[in-house]
Amino acid sequence: DAGVTQSPTHLIKTRGQHVTLRCSPISGHKSVSWYQQVLGQGPQFIFQYYEKEERGRGNFPDRFSARQFPNYSSELNVNALLLGDSALYLCASSFSDRVDYEQYFGPGTRLTVT
Amino acid sequence: AQKVTQAQTEISVVEKEDVTLDCVYETRDTTYYLFWYKQPPSGELVFLIRRNSFDEQNEISGRYSWNFQKSTSSFNFTITASQVVDSAVYFCALSGVYKLSFGAGTTVTVRA
Repeated sequence: DAGVTQSPTHLIKTRGQHVTLRCSPISGHKSVSWYQQVLGQGPQFIFQYYEKEERGRGNFPDRFSARQFPNYSSELNVNALLLGDSALYLCASSFSDRVDYEQYFGPGTRLTVT
Repeated sequence: AQKVTQAQTEISVVEKEDVTLDCVYETRDTTYYLFWYKQPPSGELVFLIRRNSFDEQNEISGRYSWNFQKSTSSFNFTITASQVVDSAVYFCALSGVYKLSFGAGTTVTVRA
């Protein structure tokens, strides 16, 4: 079975623009979580979606939004990009919404804001 | 609030040496899970081990072992007989309600 896939792999945007990142979970997984990893730091939780509903939101501004589709894939949207949004964005999928279940991470999308 | 601290920023060893990574955590939850993840240069986080707060028994899995001490809120991780392929950033993580809280990571470099 394929693992978690994310697209695009790399992205360069200009301040003020909007970006959409995509994630396809492992087949059968209904939970998708998004994390932001700034260079040199650990991943920071942004959102968790389970069965197309938002279950958790981290300490990020309203410029960040996400959604989950009927096929359980997910999009992360960031509006009005700032230089500080430059980071590796990781998507993780899991069978359950419980965090103690193993989460499988994708390779990430590296976003550079100039 | 939950917090994970990995005091070691970088560790460099020669192949076949043992490597121990320290992790200290803070949580008000009575039930929680602790994890270790590995992040190779490719960027993908790879799950290594998981331990729940009720089980302080230390275990060994292949070349990996861990030492969980609830009294000191520590969850240390050891790689025995390190190999060059073990070179990566290692993250300790703590489960919350919907999320994992990660430490800042420890970069491990294994030299041949």
